[in-house]
Amino acid sequence: NAGVTQTPKFQVLKTGQSMTLQCAQDMNHEYMSWYRQDPGMGLRLIHYSVGAGITDQGEVPNGYNVSRSTTEDFPLRLLSAAPSQTSVYFCASSYSFGTGYQLETQYFGPGTRLLVL
Amino acid sequence: ELKVEQNPLFLSMQEGKNYTIYCNYSTTSDRLYWYRQDPGKSLESLFVLLSNGAVKQEGRLMASLDTKARLSTLHITAAVHDLSATYFCEVNRDDKIIFGKGTRLHILP
Repeated sequence: NAGVTQTPKFQVLKTGQSMTLQCAQDMNHEYMSWYRQDPGMGLRLIHYSVGAGITDQGEVPNGYNVSRSTTEDFPLRLLSAAPSQTSVYFCASSYSFGTGYQLETQYFGPGTRLLVL
Repeated sequence: ELKVEQNPLFLSMQEGKNYTIYCNYSTTSDRLYWYRQDPGKSLESLFVLLSNGAVKQEGRLMASLDTKARLSTLHITAAVHDLSATYFCEVNRDDKIIFGKGTRLHILP
C-alpha cells in the first residue's frame, strides 16, 4: 500500500495564480482532510470530507476549495493564491466509525511546501 | 469552543532523564491522539486514546488520558537522542478537530 500520497512536493506560485494540490489514498478510508502547518501554529484544518460527495469547512477554509468525487481522491484548490497561503500543506485520511467523525487515527501524506510570491 | 493547549512548547533535556508533556483541552471529548513529527517530515501516529483512563506504552513513551480532568500526558522515560522531535496532541469532538501547537523536544547527548 502506498498510503497517502501528495503531489507536488514543492511549488512556487505568483500572487493571483491558481493551482490544485493532489491527494490520494489507497486504504479505502471514508474520512479525508487537508491541513496547513505554519511555524508556531500547529496544524489547522482547512476542509474535510466524510465520504465521496460530502465535504465541509474546517477552521481556516477561506481561499480554498475542495471536492470529493471518489473515495480515493481529495484535491485542494487554491483559487487565487496570496502570500498568506505560503505554508506546508498536509493531506490525511482515516477510518471513521459511528457518526463519521469518530476517527481511528489519521494517516498523513508527505506534505506539499507552497511558496506564494 | 474546542481549544487545545500543549505545554511546554519547547523542552531541552539531557539523555537519561524523565519528563512529561501535557495536553489540556477545553470541552468534553473521549478521543485523543498523539503524533510525532521529525524536522521536514510528515506526522506519524504514536498513540490513540479512546476512553477515560486509557494508557498506552511504546518503548520509552507512555500516554494517558483523563477525560474528567480534560488532560492527556505523554511521559518520556530515560530519554535518548532518537526521541528528539516535535510531538503533537489532537482532540476531536463531533466535526471539530484541533491540534495542539506542538512540543519541540531536544534531547542532548
